[in-house]
Amino acid sequence: AQTVTQSQPEMSVQEAETVTLSCTYDTSESDYYLFWYKQPPSRQMILVIRQEAYKQQNATENRFSVNFQKAAKSFSLKISDSQLGDAAMYFCAYRSAKGGSNYQLIWGAGTKLIIKP
Amino acid sequence: NAGVMQNPRHLVRRRGQEARLRCSPMKGHSHVYWYRQLPEEGLKFMVYLQKENIIDESGMPKERFSAEFPKEGPSILRIQQVVRGDSAAYFCASSQRPLAGNNLQFFGPGTRLTVL
Repeated sequence: AQTVTQSQPEMSVQEAETVTLSCTYDTSESDYYLFWYKQPPSRQMILVIRQEAYKQQNATENRFSVNFQKAAKSFSLKISDSQLGDAAMYFCAYRSAKGGSNYQLIWGAGTKLIIKP
Repeated sequence: NAGVMQNPRHLVRRRGQEARLRCSPMKGHSHVYWYRQLPEEGLKFMVYLQKENIIDESGMPKERFSAEFPKEGPSILRIQQVVRGDSAAYFCASSQRPLAGNNLQFFGPGTRLTVL
């Protein structure tokens, strides 16, 4: 069974600086998808960025980028120029690309990101 | 375009009562997924439904929990005889097609259930 581990329960960063959130996962599959979701105090789950495992190029969305290391099964999220609105829980999630169970998202426990003004 | 809607946003029940959580998927979406988030944890898959069919309920407790997605109307997650351990946030997500490739589930805002 696949697992997702986020080893940092909480991280803090000064506004305008860069922070990296860690995520590792365990799977025997070669084809899958990885996601970072943001959950602000409103509790709405917002997709930040996603990565297809077959793509070597790291995904980027404006200030958000990932460092995808497939061999190491690592998928970290880098937030550049941190803003107060980035404060939230961040969840890493895995989804198999294999038919039959590819609708289940497997979630990490989350990292609480605090932005210091 | 309305996104995934869930109601109520907050629900308080006493032990032994029933809780009904509603989810209206995005327009044109016929696939619904329910997840539960316990305090300080990530989401856990509960059940996947298509219109009038339960596709996978492997993540749902065997007793007291049931889910449906009728031909008309919202999907309902029903918890009978609630206990304190049922207190959690329940999220619904929907997709237009069965998830394949990199198409996405879209999440609702969740229902926070508190059992007194």
